[in-house]
Amino acid sequence: QKEVEQDPGPLSVPEGAIVSLNCTYSNSAFQYFMWYRQYSRKGPELLMYTYSSGNKEDGRFTAQVDKSSKYISLFIRDSQPSDSATYLCALGGSQGNLIFGKGTKLSVKP
Amino acid sequence: EPEVTQTPSHQVTQMGQEVILRCVPISNHLYFYWYRQILGQKVEFLVSFYNNEISEKSEIFDDQFSVERPDGSNFTLKIRSTKLEDSAMYFCASSDDLGTIYFGEGSWLTVV
Repeated sequence: QKEVEQDPGPLSVPEGAIVSLNCTYSNSAFQYFMWYRQYSRKGPELLMYTYSSGNKEDGRFTAQVDKSSKYISLFIRDSQPSDSATYLCALGGSQGNLIFGKGTKLSVKP
Repeated sequence: EPEVTQTPSHQVTQMGQEVILRCVPISNHLYFYWYRQILGQKVEFLVSFYNNEISEKSEIFDDQFSVERPDGSNFTLKIRSTKLEDSAMYFCASSDDLGTIYFGEGSWLTVV
């Protein structure tokens, strides 16, 4: 079983929609849960990070972690065409070794 | 806003040649990393570096790879004898703690 599973999409939504992106994981030792945004041929850009179960909100973005179910989510409210990118979940352990999901490609149509 | 900077942005090299990829991490960060992403695949961890030594490395990071912090600002990744399968985007990253890791824009390496 792969350590981090993420639906690669592609996911296409109309502008203004609420987007839900998800990852599941198998290793309960993960301590850090991050979401990155990556544009084509660019570096991952840190969007959200959290260390505990529950919700964390930052503007239009909400990160949700459920450690008991080994499930993390990123919600984007009022999605914009500029949100079109690949979204990567990344989970970390004690030494900063991040395990990434494959990424979900999101397209927000005007 | 502080950022991780990488050079070169793109390098083409002959198989068997040595390559050095350079990075300037964010200035007050203590933890440094290299990751790579083969086209169309996941971002993969290579190595982490703290207090002037490797703290963790992956199976990918074999004897062909080495890292160095030659001065107070630069962090380098050396590939001694490049192979075709080393063609990838290489990302440098840094953090001031173990949670918030910031990535550079990447160095695209093409081995021919």
